[in-house]
This record gives sequence, C-alpha cells and structure tokens, in this order.
Amino acid sequence: KQEVTQIPAALSVPEGENLVLNCSFTDSAIYNLQWFRQDPGKGLTSLLLIQSSQREQTSGRLNASLDKSSGRSTLYIAASQPGDSATYLCAVRPRDYKLSFGAGTTVTVRA
Amino acid sequence: GAGVSQSPRYKVAKRGQDVALRCDPISGHVSLFWYQQALGQGPEFLTYFQNEAQLDKSGLPSDRFFAERPEGSVSTLKIQRTQQEDSAVYLCASSRTSGGGIETQYFGPGTRLLVL
Repeated sequence: KQEVTQIPAALSVPEGENLVLNCSFTDSAIYNLQWFRQDPGKGLTSLLLIQSSQREQTSGRLNASLDKSSGRSTLYIAASQPGDSATYLCAVRPRDYKLSFGAGTTVTVRA
Repeated sequence: GAGVSQSPRYKVAKRGQDVALRCDPISGHVSLFWYQQALGQGPEFLTYFQNEAQLDKSGLPSDRFFAERPEGSVSTLKIQRTQQEDSAVYLCASSRTSGGGIETQYFGPGTRLLVL
C-alpha cells in the first residue's frame, strides 16, 4: 500500500521567508503527484500537478519538484505572505484514479 | 462557473442514527469520488462513480456505508447506524472525464459529521 508522509507537520515563519514543504512516498510507480491547499472549513484547491515524467512545475511563487526514483517531492513557496497560511497536502496517484494523501503540513505565516 | 457543492456543511448525529450526505458535482463531470478525512489526517478514498455506475467501493469502511448516483449527476453517501468513529469530514470530488489521464479532481467544501 502506498504510504505518503509529509514533514514537518506544522511550520510557522515570519512574512517574507521562503517555505519548504516535504513529501515522501513509498511506491515510486506513480502516474502523477499533486499539491493541494486546504483552508479551514473549505475543500481542497489544486496548486500544482507534476506528471511522473516531469521534474518540476512552477506557478507564480510556487515551485514543486519531483524525484520519483527516491520517492520525494518538495513544494517551495517564495516570499511567504499571511495569505499563504493554510494546510498543504501532497497526493500521489498510481495508475488508477485513487489519490493517496499525506496528512499535510499546516503553515502559519506571521505578519 | 459553480464548483462542487456539498450539503449539509455540518451534521451532528446521535450514535445509531442514519445520515445522508449530498454532493452536487460540476455540471457534466463524468467521475465522482468520495473521501473521508479524519481529524489531522489526509483524505482517504471511499468510492468512485463513473456516471451512474459505482466502479469501486473498496474504500467503504463497512456495510453501513452506502453511496449512490442514480442519474449520473448528484450523489448521496448514506451512513446507517452511525458510530463515533464515523466522525470526520466527508469530501466529494469530481473530474471531467473517466478519471484517468492528467486531469485533476475538483473538491467540494466537505460535510463535517460529528457523531455523539
């Protein structure tokens, strides 16, 4: 069974610092990997999706890397803002539709 | 356009009661998924529909859980004889086609169920 781990579980940084969120998975036979954002009381918003053949994806201040062979992905958020405060979830997708999620990293950006 | 909606947003049930949770996917989306998210955990897959067909119910934790999507649009997740361990957020997601390929799943806000 695919196990997805996210470290750290929580992170608090001052505004302006760069954020580094880590995700590891046990089975490298994945189709793609997604990073989601979850705000309290709200659903999940997809941030970035990386196909297994790709090494990274970028969107604005967000950059996600994927090293499939070592079972790792990292989400970088540059110049953090208080509005970035949320829980960030990593999900891997095998060759079917079932997403396997990590438990998330809860980020607090202090103004 | 409208996203995935779920109702009710919050539900408190007494142990032993039956509950029904509704999901309205994005119009025209073929695939629909239900996930269960326990406090402090990531979502766990429950079941998958392609149109009205329930193709996978391997994640349903017990036979007290039942899901349907009779007309291939709205879906209902029913939990019979609720137990305290059923307390969680139930998330619904939909995707445009058959769940394969590169497309993403769009998530609703979830229904937070508390069983007392």
